[in-house]
Amino acid sequence: DVKVTQSSRYLVKRTGEKVFLECVQDMDHENMFWYRQDPGLGLRLIYFSYDVKMKEKGDIPEGYSVSREKKERFSLILESASTNQTSMYLCASSLFGERQPQHFGDGTRLSIL
Amino acid sequence: ELKVEQNPLFLSMQEGKNYTIYCNYSTTSDRLYWYRQDPGKSLESLFVLLSNGAVKQEGRLMASLDTKARLSTLHITAAVHDLSATYFCSSGAGSYQLTFGKGTKLSVIP
Repeated sequence: DVKVTQSSRYLVKRTGEKVFLECVQDMDHENMFWYRQDPGLGLRLIYFSYDVKMKEKGDIPEGYSVSREKKERFSLILESASTNQTSMYLCASSLFGERQPQHFGDGTRLSIL
Repeated sequence: ELKVEQNPLFLSMQEGKNYTIYCNYSTTSDRLYWYRQDPGKSLESLFVLLSNGAVKQEGRLMASLDTKARLSTLHITAAVHDLSATYFCSSGAGSYQLTFGKGTKLSVIP
């Protein structure tokens, strides 16, 4: 089974802090994704990566950046956290190819105070 | 821009009954996925539909895809409490990006 592991289930940070969310997958997947999930809005794509050091913006990249230095690891960075970034963050991965299903991690519930 | 709409958003149904969740998408798409999410948990892949007329079944759930109508359905047969969850459909066209519906929260009551 595919295993997508997010480093924290719950995280509390303060406004203005730089925040790192880490995601690791163990199935040698080429594609990795970061979403945020908010009540009533569903899942919205922040960034995705289809190869090491490659990244593409999703629907809501403002205020975020990403890093993919190794194939198995994809990091989401909040450069200067704000309260409107309080949300559930989900990482996903998939095999190469646009039609491959995505496999999700357990999520990180991030609160910015 | 691809838009995905699910309905209903909330569904309360009695055990043993049948019901259908609908997923409409706005532009030509080459794939449709159904996911299940339990409270506090992540999304679990249920079905992958890649062609017109595709039908997949797993237990009491059956998903179908009509690309001409831009419609997918998730049919629940003889609902049981264990099916209570939020169900998402998602679609994409020509890129890695998927667009998700807002989810259907299903509650199965005795």
